[in-house]
This record gives sequence, C-alpha cells and structure tokens, in this order.
Amino acid sequence: DSGVTQTPKHLITATGQRVTLRCSPRSGDLSVYWYQQSLDQGLQFLIQYYNGEERAKGNILERFSAQQFPDLHSELNLSSLELGDSALYFCASSPDQNTEAFFGQGTRLTVV
Amino acid sequence: GIQVEQSPPDLILQEGANSTLRCNFSDSVNNLQWFHQNPWGQLINLFYIPSGTKQNGRLSATTVATERYSLLYISSSQTTDSGVYFCAGQGASTSGTYKYIFGTGTRLKVLA
Repeated sequence: DSGVTQTPKHLITATGQRVTLRCSPRSGDLSVYWYQQSLDQGLQFLIQYYNGEERAKGNILERFSAQQFPDLHSELNLSSLELGDSALYFCASSPDQNTEAFFGQGTRLTVV
Repeated sequence: GIQVEQSPPDLILQEGANSTLRCNFSDSVNNLQWFHQNPWGQLINLFYIPSGTKQNGRLSATTVATERYSLLYISSSQTTDSGVYFCAGQGASTSGTYKYIFGTGTRLKVLA
C-alpha cells in the first residue's frame, strides 16, 4: 500500500458525461501529480499541483481540469467524455517536488 | 523535452533465469525511479535511485547519472515478476516543473 488513495477504482460512464476522480495523497505530501495511461501505453503526464497551486501542465485536454484543495486532496474532472478517454488514471504524491513519488492504485475509466 | 528509452521492449524468461533491463535518458535527470506494473495495473515502487546501486532481495538497480542510464537486474525470476517495468525520471527544472517522465516500459513474462 503506497498510502495514496484514489476513488473510485472503477468507473463506467457514457459518452458526453462528466466524471470526477479523487486522490488523497500520503499524509504530509504537498505535491500531487496526475497521469493517464491508455491501453498498453506508457504513462502520460497531465498536471501537477504543489500545496494548492498548479505547477506544471502536460498534454491535458481542455475538457479536463483539476484542482488541489486546502486539505491537499486533489480532484481531476473529465467532461464531455469520448470513447478515447477510456484509460487508467493515476495520481501520485511526493513530500516535495524533487523527491520520490508514490502512486495510487489508479481509477480505471471506461467510456461506452 | 527529455526522452526516455527502455530496452528490451519485450522479454520472455523461464523461471529461475536472470535479466537486465536498461533505461536511457536523452538529458540529465534529477531523480530516477523504477516501477513494476502488475497484471492488475497497480504501479509498485521498486527503487528510488538517483545514482549509485541499491539492492532489494532478488532485485537490484544501478544508475550512472553522468552517463544518463540506469539498469534493473532481476535474478532468479519468478512468475510473479511478470508485468511491465517502467523507469521514470524528473528533468532538471529550469521552469519550476518537476514532472516525472516515463519510459515506454519493458514487458516481462516469466514462464513456469
């Protein structure tokens, strides 16, 4: 158990819908990262937050948004979902920005 | 941006065999981690190894930061070692970003 909690573990939804993925980082970790892994692909960086502030953006679609709350948990919002958004979404956390990162178990999103 | 190459892309071993996985970076990285993604999709931290050598049971890793590569050694492989092995590094930040960049992975299958 990495200490990073992601909910839900599985999500099935229809095209055009909106979903919210939640991440609780390890206790004390200030940095949160979101990654997307499509089928049989590597992990693509989406966005990073540090102590509530957005610090880096990757190839995140405009239909996607995220935020980190004062209690340091983070949410990734995916809207106007398309079939191609089906993927495993990972959250990771680290104590600081330049240290070891630990990954949650992921949320497997299936868009039908 | 930094490119991460992993080799070999696929590997099939008989149980009990040894193997070496390699990770090359196109530029300097601050930190380097190795992960194992099991067949259920879970990402497990294996090593946090910015430089030097570490060992954990049958696994060991070596990073030569000055030459921009890292090696993961698996000895006496077991069927439970099957899955995908990823390396990931954080680029030296000039813009305040510390995202981990993942390689494309080595898919390992260990046969009983």
